[in-house]
Amino acid sequence: GENVEQHPSTLSVQEGDSAVIKCTYSDSASNYFPWYKQELGKGPQLIIDIRSNVGEKKDQRIAVTLNKTAKHFSLHITETQPEDSAVYFCAASINTGNQFYFGTGTSLTVIP
Amino acid sequence: DVKVTQSSRYLVKRTGEKVFLECVQDMDHENMFWYRQDPGLGLRLIYFSYDVKMKEKGDIPEGYSVSREKKERFSLILESASTNQTSMYLCASSPSGRGADTQYFGPGTRLTVL
Repeated sequence: GENVEQHPSTLSVQEGDSAVIKCTYSDSASNYFPWYKQELGKGPQLIIDIRSNVGEKKDQRIAVTLNKTAKHFSLHITETQPEDSAVYFCAASINTGNQFYFGTGTSLTVIP
Repeated sequence: DVKVTQSSRYLVKRTGEKVFLECVQDMDHENMFWYRQDPGLGLRLIYFSYDVKMKEKGDIPEGYSVSREKKERFSLILESASTNQTSMYLCASSPSGRGADTQYFGPGTRLTVL
């Protein structure tokens, strides 16, 4: 089955700096890659996703890049704010199954 | 807005008890999922369902069963709770019968088994 690895497990940045979280996947058939943000006491919420026919996607301060050849994808948060502090999960999915394989999460702390 | 609700936010049970975790979604989604979340392990899939009365095992189904009698409701059952089932349980749903679509999560149930 698919194996998704996520790094780093913890990340601290100063407010206003950028944060980058990286994930790798093993199954070249995976073609959907969502990113979730989980705030304390809440369930994960989708923040951005990318499909394998696209190399990059942006939504305001958040961007995701995908390198299919290398089988890795990354989340970029620019101009970080304290409310960006949360746990972030990446995931990979093969279209036909709809089963998501999640990374182990990154705890991001934005220091005011 | 998609809404996924879970019956309890916190639950404390004793070893050997039968435990029911309920999940309801209000968007007519075909797919529903149960995950458990543990520190350092991320989200691991227990069971999922593509349709009413249909279920498939995920990566860690041992010690669990599920029930989907109605499209909007997906129940996770711990037949005889054990301390190693202490965890955060997350329910999710997604709109397609097939294909990779966004999963929407509930707030989670933190289960403690004593």
